[in-house]
Amino acid sequence: KQEVTQIPAALSVPEGENLVLNCSFTDSAIYNLQWFRQDPGKGLTSLLLIQSSQREQTSGRLNASLDKSSGRSTLYIAASQPGDSATYLCAVSPNSGAGSYQLTFGKGTKLSVIP
Amino acid sequence: GAVVSQHPSRVICKSGTSVKIECRSLDFQATTMFWYRQFPKQSLMLMATSNEGSKATYEQGVEKDKFLINHASLTLSTLTVTSAHPEDSSFYICSPSGGPYNEQFFGPGTRLTVL
Repeated sequence: KQEVTQIPAALSVPEGENLVLNCSFTDSAIYNLQWFRQDPGKGLTSLLLIQSSQREQTSGRLNASLDKSSGRSTLYIAASQPGDSATYLCAVSPNSGAGSYQLTFGKGTKLSVIP
Repeated sequence: GAVVSQHPSRVICKSGTSVKIECRSLDFQATTMFWYRQFPKQSLMLMATSNEGSKATYEQGVEKDKFLINHASLTLSTLTVTSAHPEDSSFYICSPSGGPYNEQFFGPGTRLTVL
């Protein structure tokens, strides 16, 4: 059974700092990995998707890497801003097939960026 | 990205009542709908997967007679929590699949509180 772990559970940084969020998964047979942002009481906003054949994806100040063989992914946020404060979730989907889009989530990292 | 709506966004009900949650995929035909729930400070957990026109598949530990899923059309799926109890209080969120996107998108979620 796939398990996804995110470290740290919570992180507080001063504005402007660069930071890294970590995600690990136990079964490397994944189809893709996706990073989401969740604001309190809200749904999920997709940030980045990395296909299993890819090593990294970038969007603006965000960069996500994937090391499938070791079961790890990182989300790098550059020049953090107070508006980045949210819970960041990592999720993986199994190998392509009927359940390709069925996601297993980590518990998330709650990020607070202090002005 | 995909546009997904959920209604209601928040509901408070008495124990023993039934609550229906609607999820609409507004810009593509969702052949598959995933329903997740999230307890406080926990991961999103997959409850069930439904394919349009067929019965839903429930994850282990999820009672199919308690959580009724209807996916009668390609743009609408409903989750009915029957005879709700306080332990059913959670954040319920849908995720349609089958569109032109590789990434998964989610509805804004429904916060259910059972008194």
